[in-house]
Amino acid sequence: DSGVTQTPKHLITATGQRVTLRCSPRSGDLSVYWYQQSLDQGLQFLIQYYNGEERAKGNILERFSAQQFPDLHSELNLSSLELGDSALYFCASSVDGVPYGYTFGSGTRLTVV
Amino acid sequence: QKEVEQDPGPLSVPEGAIVSLNCTYSNSAFQYFMWYRQYSRKGPELLMYTYSSGNKEDGRFTAQVDKSSKYISLFIRDSQPSDSATYLCAMSMSGGSNYKLTFGKGTLLTVNP
Repeated sequence: DSGVTQTPKHLITATGQRVTLRCSPRSGDLSVYWYQQSLDQGLQFLIQYYNGEERAKGNILERFSAQQFPDLHSELNLSSLELGDSALYFCASSVDGVPYGYTFGSGTRLTVV
Repeated sequence: QKEVEQDPGPLSVPEGAIVSLNCTYSNSAFQYFMWYRQYSRKGPELLMYTYSSGNKEDGRFTAQVDKSSKYISLFIRDSQPSDSATYLCAMSMSGGSNYKLTFGKGTLLTVNP
């Protein structure tokens, strides 16, 4: 157990729907990162939150949004889902200040049918 | 041209072989270089990191960074079947407050007993 908890582990949904992925960071970590992993693109950075505030955005679609709550858990919301959104979504948390301090969760596998 | 290029393999070697995994990159601002191992259906876990150029050794693993050539390598000595996994290189810039990682697509390694 890495200490980063992601739920659900698997999600199957239809095109056009909206889903919410949840992440609880490792105890003490203030930064939460979301990444998308697909076969053709590999692991792509989506967005980072630090202590409740958005800090950086990557290749995140406008249909996707995220937030980090006061208890530091984070949610990634995916709406108007398309077949191409099928991927593994990973959350990672870190102690701020070093890029090698990431701990990844086990991911949520999203399948859009 | 992608910022980080990594040969996806697959790479199949016999137990005990020396394995060489490589990545090239184009962004000269990268200062932190990391290697992650990802088992099937799991999140990536950090193997090693290097800051700037040079070598780093940890047990059977050696990481090398050649910034002049924008080339990084991971060597695995006396490879074991338990080393079978996908190996991802990752890079990050130094400074600031966002340490997003840019990943290669990963190399799938199989070590045969």
